Amino acid sequence: DAKTTQPNSMESNEEEPVHLPCNHSTISGTDYIHWYRQLPSQGPEYVIHGLTSNVNNRMASLAIAEDRKSSTLILHRATLRDAAVYYCILRAPSKRYILDQFYFGTGTSLTVIP
Amino acid sequence: EAGVTQFPSHSVIEKGQTVTLRCDPISGHDNLYWYRRVMGKEIKFLLHFVKESKQDESGMPNNRFLAERTGGTYSTLKVQPAELEDSGVYFCASSPPRGPGAYEQYFGPGTRLTVT
Repeated sequence: DAKTTQPNSMESNEEEPVHLPCNHSTISGTDYIHWYRQLPSQGPEYVIHGLTSNVNNRMASLAIAEDRKSSTLILHRATLRDAAVYYCILRAPSKRYILDQFYFGTGTSLTVIP
Repeated sequence: EAGVTQFPSHSVIEKGQTVTLRCDPISGHDNLYWYRRVMGKEIKFLLHFVKESKQDESGMPNNRFLAERTGGTYSTLKVQPAELEDSGVYFCASSPPRGPGAYEQYFGPGTRLTVT
């Protein structure tokens, strides 16, 4: 799997937008970009994923660069509950259509300041 | 719908003892995964079941670890004998069977294993 690079930590004020960057310069044409987050004392949880186009869901938005070598997870209005470690993961679709393992990097630890 | 559950939430054992961790995936999820994070390291993949079959066990660290999924429902991960370096948090995840594309894995809360 292609490697992802994220800043170790970021801070944001409560109720302000947060942009979490991820570099994946070796991404292949079929790799999907996933974002998961892990709240304290919990397992990782799905946030969003995309392939080429920008994606929006109730939790966040995902902005994917035109060359797909980087992406940004956008939390439109950070809350204290968004304090977590955010992981950017690349996942290649399995040829046998079976979900495969994820490779977690170190992630970005987001601190939300009241 | 119940999520992925893991038992126990925390286990403290002595070096050389045996521990068995259990994971109950979401009902209907054929895919079941085990991951772990040892102290200060990243979350690492251990193995992947599709129903009762081991699809990929390339991440299992050594033969002290044995995973089973009899009947394709819940799974157990046994560590025998446990060593100090096995301490960490063990996560289980599951996902439904799907076609090609990107999918979501549903993670349990993890079992914190402490080997003393």
